[in-house]
Amino acid sequence: GESVGLHLPTLSVQEGDNSIINCAYSNSASDYFIWYKQESGKGPQFIIDIRSNMDKRQGQRVTVLLNKTVKHLSLQIAATQPGDSAVYFCAENDYKLSFGAGTTVTVRA
Amino acid sequence: DGGITQSPKYLFRKEGQNVTLSCEQNLNHDAMYWYRQDPGQGLRLIYYSQIVNDFQKGDIAEGYSVSREKKESFPLTVTSAQKNPTAFYLCASSTDRRQPQHFGDGTRLSIL
Repeated sequence: GESVGLHLPTLSVQEGDNSIINCAYSNSASDYFIWYKQESGKGPQFIIDIRSNMDKRQGQRVTVLLNKTVKHLSLQIAATQPGDSAVYFCAENDYKLSFGAGTTVTVRA
Repeated sequence: DGGITQSPKYLFRKEGQNVTLSCEQNLNHDAMYWYRQDPGQGLRLIYYSQIVNDFQKGDIAEGYSVSREKKESFPLTVTSAQKNPTAFYLCASSTDRRQPQHFGDGTRLSIL
């Protein structure tokens, strides 16, 4: 069946370093993906999205890469800050969001 | 400020009781959604509505009910038929199903 999943459940990063969070999907027809950030006790917050006609998209300190050949996308966070500590989800967006379990990012001072 | 408001933030349910979770948005979005999140897991879709007076079951609709009488409101009722209701419930909205969904800050439901 269709699924969207993340490679690693946790990621520990030194403050100031770059973070890379990976995500794999199984539906080759998927054409729209979103990255969300969820802080403890709050709802997911939109970070960035990408459609299948692109392979890279940049935002403020974040970059999403999409590799349709291997059905993989990644979120890169530049110069990771303590405020980046959260759970990150990739999601495939059609009429619903299909989420994986998320990657918990912890930033070390 | 435009956004999605969920209330209450915490809710307790007694055995055999129905409870209703509120979700209101002032973003003028047509589509609204309810998700359930269990500890350490992603979100699972309960119900969604693409337009007023219409809604569809998601992946885990059993034991839940919704209504969409107004564009800005999409309340979720957790019925006594839902045997494992303890979870974090999230409401979201979007302009349409192909646009990013914006989330409220959730309601945490527990069983007394």
